[in-house]
Amino acid sequence: DQQVKQNSPSLSVQEGRISILNCDYTNSMFDYFLWYKKYPAEGPTFLISISSIKDKNEDGRFTVFLNKSAKHLSLHIVPSQPGDSAVYFCAAHARLEYGNKLVFGAGTILRVKS
Amino acid sequence: GAVVSQHPSWVICKSGTSVKIECRSLDFQATTMFWYRQFPKQSLMLMATSNEGSKATYEQGVEKDKFLINHASLTLSTLTVTSAHPEDSSFYICSARIQGRVDTGELFFGEGSRLTVL
Repeated sequence: DQQVKQNSPSLSVQEGRISILNCDYTNSMFDYFLWYKKYPAEGPTFLISISSIKDKNEDGRFTVFLNKSAKHLSLHIVPSQPGDSAVYFCAAHARLEYGNKLVFGAGTILRVKS
Repeated sequence: GAVVSQHPSWVICKSGTSVKIECRSLDFQATTMFWYRQFPKQSLMLMATSNEGSKATYEQGVEKDKFLINHASLTLSTLTVTSAHPEDSSFYICSARIQGRVDTGELFFGEGSRLTVL
């Protein structure tokens, strides 16, 4: 049962243009949504997050949009830079009786071409 | 700040042996650490939640006798893969949350450990 889905395995964007990474979820109990960036053979690093009570959060070139009615969020990177090339994981945070949990999507490989 | 370090980064072992992976929070205390496993081109799957001073909480389908977790101090958790087999070959990643902060899901991840079982 995939609660967090990233349907695009990869995305290729020209340097300077906008990158849009999408994520869908099924559980309406998630209270935070996060984006992590991962390079090969390294652990993920936190990028940006959004509370479920908000619809937008911006941090420099990165903006996350949340559409609760559609259970959809997206990460916008503008302008895209070659150094942004990495795997991006969408994650959702749930507070459960036995402990809090972070559920990850399958990831989207972003390639920014110079 | 908020650095998590894993050791070893790479390990190759023979089938039937046990392998221990260490996860340390270098500049903060972590009462809770999380162990994930990643298969090629797949998501990070939570294996277990490691709790300092108590037993780990395992996710459904994860064998607790196979993957032994010990969280003996506020800065160290270990994962031991016992009697490893080739199907245990994977990328294992630990993460930690800063103690005392409101939990918004932000985790700090280690560099990961690539296990190859021959």
